[in-house]
Amino acid sequence: DIVMTQSPDSLAVSLGARATINCKSSRSVLYSPNNKNYLGWYQQKPGQPPKLLIHWASIRESGVPDRFSGSGSGTDFTLTINSLQAEDVAVYYCQQYYSVPLSFGGGTKVEIK
Amino acid sequence: QVTLRESGPALVKPTQTLTLTCTFSGFSLSDSGMCVNWIRQSPGKAPEWLARIDWDDTEHYSTSLKTRLTISKDTSKTRMVLTMTNMDPVDTATYYCARSPSNYDRTGYTQNAFDLWGPGTFVTVSS
Repeated sequence: DIVMTQSPDSLAVSLGARATINCKSSRSVLYSPNNKNYLGWYQQKPGQPPKLLIHWASIRESGVPDRFSGSGSGTDFTLTINSLQAEDVAVYYCQQYYSVPLSFGGGTKVEIK
Repeated sequence: QVTLRESGPALVKPTQTLTLTCTFSGFSLSDSGMCVNWIRQSPGKAPEWLARIDWDDTEHYSTSLKTRLTISKDTSKTRMVLTMTNMDPVDTATYYCARSPSNYDRTGYTQNAFDLWGPGTFVTVSS
C-alpha cells in the first residue's frame, strides 16, 4: 500500500503571503507510459466534503483560482498558495490514485497569522 | 446537474451491519470509465478510502477493511450500496461517496481523482 505523508501538520501565514505544503509518497506515483503523476490535492472547510483543487499533480480544476499551484513528480509534491486569502483557511490533503488501495495524506491545516 | 447523495442510518449499534446508499444523477455507472467510491472521515482525521466500484463491475476494497465491506450497484446504475459488517464505535465517521471518472488514453483507462463528492452522512456507532 502507498503511504502519503504531508508536512507540516499546520501552518500560519499572513494574508497575502505564500503557503507551501509538502506531500511525499512511499513509492512513485508517476506512471511512465503516460508520464502522469497520479496525485491530487483537496481543500476541506469545516462541515464540507473535500473539494478537488488539483489533479495530475499540477492541473487546476475548473474554477480554482490561479493562486493555487501544484508541482513535483515521482514521490515528492508541493501545493503552493500564493497571496493567501482569508477564504483559503482550510485543511489541505494530498491523495494518490496510482494504485488501490487509494490513500490520503494526513492533512495540513492552514490558518491566518 | 451532476450530484451525489448518501443516505442511511445515523445510528447503529455495535456488531450490527451498516448499509449505506449513494444515489447520483447526471451520470451513470453504465458510462464507460465511470467509477464511484466510498470514503469515510472520522472527526478530526484525514479521509480514508474504503471501496470503489467501476463501470465494468470491478470492485476494489481497502486492505484493512475488505473482510467487512461489500459494494454493489443496482440495476438502474444510478445507485450504489455499501455494507459494512460488525460495526464498532471506532467506525463512527462521516461517510462520503465520490466520483472518480477514468479517462481513456493510449495506455488504456487511467484512474482519476475524486472530482465530485456527496455532502456525506454521519454515522454514530453506539449502544
